[in-house]
Amino acid sequence: QEQLVESGGAVVQPGRALRLSCAASGYTFSSQAMHWVRQPPGKGLEWVAFISYHGSAQYYADYVKGRFTISRDNSKNTVSLQMNSLGAEDTAVYYCVRGFRYMDLWGNGTTVIVSS
Amino acid sequence: EIVMTQSPGTLSVSPGESATLSCRASQSVIRDLAWYQQTPGQGPTLLIYDASTRATGIPPRFSGSGSGTEFTLTISSLQSEDFAVYYCQQYNKWPRTFGQGTKVEIK
Repeated sequence: QEQLVESGGAVVQPGRALRLSCAASGYTFSSQAMHWVRQPPGKGLEWVAFISYHGSAQYYADYVKGRFTISRDNSKNTVSLQMNSLGAEDTAVYYCVRGFRYMDLWGNGTTVIVSS
Repeated sequence: EIVMTQSPGTLSVSPGESATLSCRASQSVIRDLAWYQQTPGQGPTLLIYDASTRATGIPPRFSGSGSGTEFTLTISSLQSEDFAVYYCQQYNKWPRTFGQGTKVEIK
């Protein structure tokens, strides 16, 4: 069945970097756009980044612009999020999500904790 | 950015009753509005898109309405599995933005 599985979450010190990955299966990955959405502990959903199906277009939320980079490898059915200069405010569950307009398939998330 | 505001923050409902959730956009999003359900420990699930179209597999007790800046999600005859947090999201403009969520709890 259609599935998204995130990985790479960890406890990381402030100022360090981390790379998240998401593996897609059960559908034609290369024809679908993808997002990363995060959820801080006890809070609501925050959109983080978007990449088009072919990878040529990316959009970012202002609070991650210049620090985070979204990328994809259609030959491996994966999408990644490179996160640099992490701060405590980046602590959250990060979800990999399929969609361009609405988001119709979500993973179960991977947890990033930024703490010294 | 378009700010999405949901009300109420928490809704207490008895099983079998109906629930009405509201979502307001700070500017018109036409009908580019989705609703999601999130249960504890899980990723969200798409319920409604284009303001009123049910996603695949979503039962008809979930219905969406509205356009412009005012939207409503109605859940009729609440089942035990419907007690969850519900989010609206606009996709008319970048950045995509979510409401802060409405928690539907058992009364």
